[in-house]
Amino acid sequence: AQSVTQLGSHVSVSEGALVLLRCNYSSSVPPYLFWYVQYPNQGLQLLLKYTSAATLVKGINGFEAEFKKSETSFHLTKPSAHMSDAAEYFCAVSDLPGGGGNKLTFGTGTQLKVEL
Amino acid sequence: DGGITQSPKYLFRKEGQNVTLSCEQNLNHDAMYWYRQDPGQGLRLIYYSQIVNDFQKGDIAEGYSVSREKKESFPLTVTSAQKNPTAFYLCASSLIAGVSGELFFGEGSRLTVL
Repeated sequence: AQSVTQLGSHVSVSEGALVLLRCNYSSSVPPYLFWYVQYPNQGLQLLLKYTSAATLVKGINGFEAEFKKSETSFHLTKPSAHMSDAAEYFCAVSDLPGGGGNKLTFGTGTQLKVEL
Repeated sequence: DGGITQSPKYLFRKEGQNVTLSCEQNLNHDAMYWYRQDPGQGLRLIYYSQIVNDFQKGDIAEGYSVSREKKESFPLTVTSAQKNPTAFYLCASSLIAGVSGELFFGEGSRLTVL
């Protein structure tokens, strides 16, 4: 069974500073990996996804993530934080392509706070 | 515009009452899912369905029931057997397996049991 671990339930950065949100995965098959963002009382919006093509994936709002098989990691980064980035971020792994469906298993989330 | 509509957005119920949350999608997606979100626990899968008239239990199905009579609809009933029903419930949909696996989410329904 696949799983993800997000290190740090709360991360605080200054506006303009680097954002780094950590995600490590466990999967018995080559994984599909996702980062989603959630604003208060809203659903989840896809930021980016890795589906075994390029290991460096660019997403929306200036975010990117790098798939590192040797480290079983898929950390999310953004060079310069903006106040509008304050939200909760979820890493997720899919049981595709090896499984019988595309159920996503989510991490416990990281709340990002951006300070002036 | 295509998307997923969940209703109601907020719902209050007394303990012991069954509650049904609605989820409708017009994306022509085959698969639909229900997740439960609690603070600090991420999202946990309740039920999912990959085709009409068929559905499977997820990781925390006890105390919940679903139906899939139409492709676009996947209602969730929170029964009185669910010991701790207060939570944020998210419905999602996707194309069937074999594609990228991305889920599209609704805006959620927040259930509070008094």
